[in-house]
Amino acid sequence: DTGVSQDPRHKITKRGQNVTFRCDPISEHNRLYWYRQTLGQGPEFLTYFQNEAQLEKSRLLSDRFSAERPKGSFSTLEIQRTEQGDSAMYLCASSSGTGGYEQFFGPGTRLTVL
Amino acid sequence: SQKIEQNSEALNIQEGKTATLTCNYTNYSPAYLQWYRQDPGRGPVFLLLIRENEKEKRKERLKVTFDTTLKQSLFHITASQPADSATYLCALDMNRGNNRLAFGKGNQVVVIP
Repeated sequence: DTGVSQDPRHKITKRGQNVTFRCDPISEHNRLYWYRQTLGQGPEFLTYFQNEAQLEKSRLLSDRFSAERPKGSFSTLEIQRTEQGDSAMYLCASSSGTGGYEQFFGPGTRLTVL
Repeated sequence: SQKIEQNSEALNIQEGKTATLTCNYTNYSPAYLQWYRQDPGRGPVFLLLIRENEKEKRKERLKVTFDTTLKQSLFHITASQPADSATYLCALDMNRGNNRLAFGKGNQVVVIP
């Protein structure tokens, strides 16, 4: 499968715990994006990378959130001291830096904070 | 403030008819606009992209228009089929070319056999 993959698909955690999600983009894509989606809403931009460089973070991304893409391939999104309001679907997408601008989304990680 | 508005009510349509969805935006100046399809529990899937200098784009049974004066895009599904039932998301680039997307809430389409 050459699509975008995310792991885990589901995560249930208790408030205050740290969680980490992984995204493996399409291999030749140099851009990687993280979004958050809550029920009834569209995806909301969190941050994006070009290769290993994190180019932009949304103002919505509190300092409890951190993302990395250490070798310009896979990326991780960590949430520290989770809160119930962090419950959402976390989506990763990738795109090619050249040519078209379509984004290829992974299946998402569903986070539930109890 | 910046807004992307899609109809919050589901569109119920008879099989074979044309479904038309609207996306209106304010306080954006997008270089392009995209439409995605999303099925429950899954990530969005890209359908079409239309650039600011294009009026209309077609792909199979799909058609998108883009009016930068009205700040509106229309998305049409012709000869709709039950398999077209999904939520359709409008997205536009937030900062002219850096591919950072802002999405609308989506519009659910239900095609009735």
